[in-house]
Formats: sequence, C-alpha cells, structure tokens
Amino acid sequence: AQKVTQAQTEISVVEKEDVTLDCVYETRDTTYYLFWYKQPPSGELVFLIRRNSFDEQNEISGRYSWNFQKSTSSFNFTITASQVVDSAVYFCALSEAVSSNTGKLIFGQGTTLQVKP
Amino acid sequence: GAVVSQHPSRVICKSGTSVKIECRSLDFQATTMFWYRQFPKQSLMLMATSNEGSKATYEQGVEKDKFLINHASLTLSTLTVTSAHPEDSSFYICSARVWGDLNTQYFGPGTRLTVL
Repeated sequence: AQKVTQAQTEISVVEKEDVTLDCVYETRDTTYYLFWYKQPPSGELVFLIRRNSFDEQNEISGRYSWNFQKSTSSFNFTITASQVVDSAVYFCALSEAVSSNTGKLIFGQGTTLQVKP
Repeated sequence: GAVVSQHPSRVICKSGTSVKIECRSLDFQATTMFWYRQFPKQSLMLMATSNEGSKATYEQGVEKDKFLINHASLTLSTLTVTSAHPEDSSFYICSARVWGDLNTQYFGPGTRLTVL
C-alpha cells in the first residue's frame, strides 16, 4: 500500500533560518511521482514541485530545494533563509503513474511551518 | 496557466438543505477532476474522482447518494452535498489534472461549508 509520512507536525523557526521538512514514502510501484504542495492560511493548495521516480537529481528553485533519495524513500524539502511569507502547511504527496490508475494523490499529514519575524 | 476556480468560496446553510459547489478549470481542459475534504488541522481526504462524461468513482466510505458529482464538460465539475447536516461542515477542495501533464493536480481555492 502507498503511504506518505511527514513526521514533523509543526516547526517553528526565526526568519532567515534554514529549515528542512521531511517526507518519507512507501510504494511497491517502480514508477511513481512525488509532489510538494504549500497551503497558506487562505486554504488554496499551491503546487511547488513534481518529481518522477526515475529522476533522482536534486532540484533548486530560488530559496527552495528538494532532495530525493530512493535508497531511503525520502523526498525532503529545504527552505533557505526562511521568510514570514513561508508560514504555511506543507504537504508531501505520492501518486502512481497514470497508466496504472487514475493518478490519485496520497497525502502526508502535513507539516505546519511557522516563521517568526 | 493551470488555474482552477471554485464557487462559492464560503457557504452557510441550514441543516437539510442541499449545497452545490462548482469547480472550473479556467485555462485548460480537465478530463479528470478530484474532490477532497479537509477537516481543521488535518490532511486532505480524497472523496471521489470525477471523469468527464462518466460516473464518478467514490472512495471507500464516501456516500455517493450524499455527495453527488457531475462532470458534464471538460472544464466543469460539480459537487452537491444533499440534505446537509452539521457533520458535513468542512473545507471542500477540488483539483484538476492537466492533459499532457497527467500526474500533476492543480487545486482550487476551496469552499468552506458550514451547516447550521
């Protein structure tokens, strides 16, 4: 069965600190996709990144970076020099390839990040 | 691109009434849309998968007669909460999958339903 675990329920940092949000997943599929979404207080989920199971290259986008390691089934998310606007709930999610099912997303429980000024 | 809207953003209704929530893909066609429910401080729970022109597929434990889903066009899916009760109060979020980017779902802003 597929499962996503975000062990950190809440994290609080001071502005400009770096912070890493952990995500561990379980799947029997060889082809799958991993995602990170941000949910600010307004409620809307904002897509941040998608990574497929064949691409372990780490990615950097501005202050955001992602570390995908298949050996440990982890897809961690790091925010460098955090800002107050980064305060939100962050969800890690997993989906199988579309060819095998509808591509449903399995979400982790979410990590609430609070960045204090 | 890949913008999804929902209407209404917030609705308050009396117990026993039905409420319709619309989900639209504004700048793309979505053959598949998803409906989620989120309780406070919890994760998203998939309720059903909506495919254009066919019946929705409901997740286990979700009453299809209670939560009616219609996906009549490639840009519109609706969720109707029938005979709503206070326990149906929740945050309902839809998402749409982009054709050609099949494994990425883009989410609407959500609808806050409060049943009195």
